Amino acid sequence: DAGVIQSPRHEVTEMGQEVTLRCKPISGHDYLFWYRQTMMRGLELLIYFNNNVPIDDSGMPEDRFSAKMPNASFSTLKIQPSEPRDSAVYFCASSGRGDGTQYFGPGTRLLVL
Amino acid sequence: SQKIEQNSEALNIQEGKTATLTCNYTNYSPAYLQWYRQDPGRGPVFLLLIRENEKEKRKERLKVTFDTTLKQSLFHITASQPADSATYLCALDINSGYSTLTFGKGTMLLVSP
Repeated sequence: DAGVIQSPRHEVTEMGQEVTLRCKPISGHDYLFWYRQTMMRGLELLIYFNNNVPIDDSGMPEDRFSAKMPNASFSTLKIQPSEPRDSAVYFCASSGRGDGTQYFGPGTRLLVL
Repeated sequence: SQKIEQNSEALNIQEGKTATLTCNYTNYSPAYLQWYRQDPGRGPVFLLLIRENEKEKRKERLKVTFDTTLKQSLFHITASQPADSATYLCALDINSGYSTLTFGKGTMLLVSP
């Protein structure tokens, strides 16, 4: 199994631009999580899906952030417009039913100038 | 407020010694607790899960204890090796179910030859 796949691995953009991060979870996993990691705040849960349905988006910082999961093998996290304070590493993770273990992707390192 | 605390200072030990990392939490009653390892530039990797009714769990050179009275978990690496150098994160389920995890900020372990 290839594990959780994220793209791009690195993204540098200018303030105000739209950023789209992509994730392919492990096949058969029915939970998908989006996290943001910074030195100051650590690893924070932004939103999670169960069977492609968003369950809790209370961690999404602002309306500028949105996430979708159109099918079981693909999810996106979009920031529009981006701001310098959005600079962080964004991780996607997936988990199987009845197993609390989460499998993380390699992350997307985002820098907003 | 709900908190998960891990030592923010790096732990430096010599190869061959036992490393002990601490995770303290307040205001939670988790059904289980997990430990992850994170290497620079990579996503966290699951190591061990311990349930509230388990006092201790072992896996090769790793040992985790869970004291729900003290609200503390200890993570031990015996016969440490330079390859064990990484950041170690503890994570709790705060919703008593196999869904979301809340992570501590992690403790960096440095094992010198």
